[in-house]
Order: sequence, then structure tokens, then C-alpha cells
Amino acid sequence: AQTVTQSQPEMSVQEAETVTLSCTYDTSESDYYLFWYKQPPSRQMILVIRQEAYKQQNATENRFSVNFQKAAKSFSLKISDSQLGDAAMYFCAYNTNAGKSTFGDGTTLTVKP
Amino acid sequence: GAVVSQHPSWVICKSGTSVKIECRSLDFQATTMFWYRQFPKQSLMLMATSNEGSKATYEQGVEKDKFLINHASLTLSTLTVTSAHPEDSSFYICSASRDRGFEPQHFGDGTRLSIL
Repeated sequence: AQTVTQSQPEMSVQEAETVTLSCTYDTSESDYYLFWYKQPPSRQMILVIRQEAYKQQNATENRFSVNFQKAAKSFSLKISDSQLGDAAMYFCAYNTNAGKSTFGDGTTLTVKP
Repeated sequence: GAVVSQHPSWVICKSGTSVKIECRSLDFQATTMFWYRQFPKQSLMLMATSNEGSKATYEQGVEKDKFLINHASLTLSTLTVTSAHPEDSSFYICSASRDRGFEPQHFGDGTRLSIL
């Protein structure tokens, strides 16, 4: 079975600064997909970024980027120029080819003005 | 695209009643729907996987007689909490999938269930 570990229950960052959220996973599969989701206080789950395991290039979406290290089974999320609206709980998730997700325990991000 | 509608968003009811939560994929056919339970500041706990036309697959420890799941069509799945008690109070979220790994989960907005 796959497992996803987020070792930082809470993180904080100053507005406009950069923060990195860590995620490691364990799998025996070679083909899979990784995602970061954001859950603000409204509790709606929002996709932040995705990465295909077969792609070596790290995914980027505006201020959000990932550092994907396949051999180390690491998938960290970097948020640049943090904004107050980035405050949320962030979940790392692993998808099998069939689309079933395994989620990490989440990291609560606080953005300080 | 890929919108999932979940209703109701908030329900309060008395202990002993049954509550039905609907999850609809509005603009795509969802081969699989998932039901999660989430406690405050915790991760999503998968309760069951629902496939159209077949019985749901429940995770270990989830009472299938308490949480009835029906996936009647490719666009609708329902979760019924039967004879609800205060300990069933929680946030329930559904998601829909087209069974393609590269697609993210398409989530509903969740249902806050409070049992008095």
C-alpha cells in the first residue's frame, strides 16, 4: 500500500516570503501521479499543482512549484511571494493509475502580514 | 469543467434520524466516486469507494450498515447516514474520478453534519 507523509503539521511564513512544504511517499509502482491540494477555512479542496512521475521536469504554476525527487520519493511544494490568501491546510496526494488517491496528514500554513 | 455538486452543505438533525447526502458530477461521467470523512484539522479519511452499478467498497472500520452508499448512475452517488448519533457529526466530502491517474480528484464542497 502507498503511504504519504507530511512531516510538518504546521508552518508559518511572512507575507511576500518563500516557504517550502515537505512530502514524502512510499510506493513500489513506477508510474503514478502526485498532487498538492489546498483547503482554506471554507474547507473546499482546491488543486494547487500536479506532477507526473515519468516527467523529470518539476511542475510550476505561477507562484507554486514543486521539487520532485523520484529516487528519494520526495515531492515538496514551494510557495513564492506568499500572500495572505495562501493561508490554508495543504495536502500532498498520491494517485494510482486508476485514480485512487492517498493523502498525507496535511500541513497548516499560516501567513503573517 | 469537472464540477462536482454536493448537497446539502450543512444539516442539523436529531439523534436517531437518517440523513442523505448527494454527490453529483455536473459536466462529466464519474466512473468512481469516493466518500471521505474529515475531522477538524485532520486529513481526509476515506470511508468508501463507489462504482456505478455495483456495491460500494468500504474501508476497514467503516460500518456499511451505518453509512449506506448508492451509486445509481454515472453522475450521482448518495451517502445515507442511518440512525445518526452525535458521534456521527463530522464533515463529509465526496469526490469524483474518471479513473485516470493523471486527473486530480474533483471534490464537492462538503457537508457539515451536526447531530443533536
